[in-house]
Amino acid sequence: DADVTQTPRNRITKTGKRIMLECSQTKGHDRMYWYRQDPGLGLRLIYYSFDVKDINKGEISDGYSVSRQAQAKFSLSLESAIPNQTALYFCATIDISTDTQYFGPGTRLTVL
Amino acid sequence: DQQVKQNSPSLSVQEGRISILNCDYTNSMFDYFLWYKKYPAEGPTFLISISSIKDKNEDGRFTVFLNKSAKHLSLHIVPSQPGDSAVYFCAASASGGTYKYIFGTGTRLKVLA
Repeated sequence: DADVTQTPRNRITKTGKRIMLECSQTKGHDRMYWYRQDPGLGLRLIYYSFDVKDINKGEISDGYSVSRQAQAKFSLSLESAIPNQTALYFCATIDISTDTQYFGPGTRLTVL
Repeated sequence: DQQVKQNSPSLSVQEGRISILNCDYTNSMFDYFLWYKKYPAEGPTFLISISSIKDKNEDGRFTVFLNKSAKHLSLHIVPSQPGDSAVYFCAASASGGTYKYIFGTGTRLKVLA
């Protein structure tokens, strides 16, 4: 079983809709991250969480919100989706003893 | 402002030859660097890292070199294999417990059989 899972894997939605992307991990890591990947722009940090009560904005948090429901779950919401939020979204955890991030398989989101 | 840059979007190399992927950074506070490999439809996976106290780190066919004065790092893959064909991202972070990583834009490596 994958250590970091994301649901859904693919989603097509319309402008103005509310969307939630979910991430779960079985690695027992406290720290979790949400990134988006756009062609030519690499991975950019949206939000990160160091524990259930510690949520922080990343480089591009506008238009997004997150919820850390438990150590194992970190959800990303788009309150009112817009076309320029079309991207590949990755969730990740980090093992702070080795400074290694573990990524989920990604969610491809298309906003029409 | 792109703090971590990978100026070559793509690279093609013959099987068995050396692949060299380059990465430049601008923030002098960065002291830990990583390379990730990404296959289509999968998340990035950790490949190799280097701390700023070193100038070289090896792991099998993969070696990362760090030139702090030039703010430049490179990943060498020797010998290159078709299975190495993927997108490679470099990433950097500053110590102090922030555990925030800035990623480059990626280089697509194609190893030709």
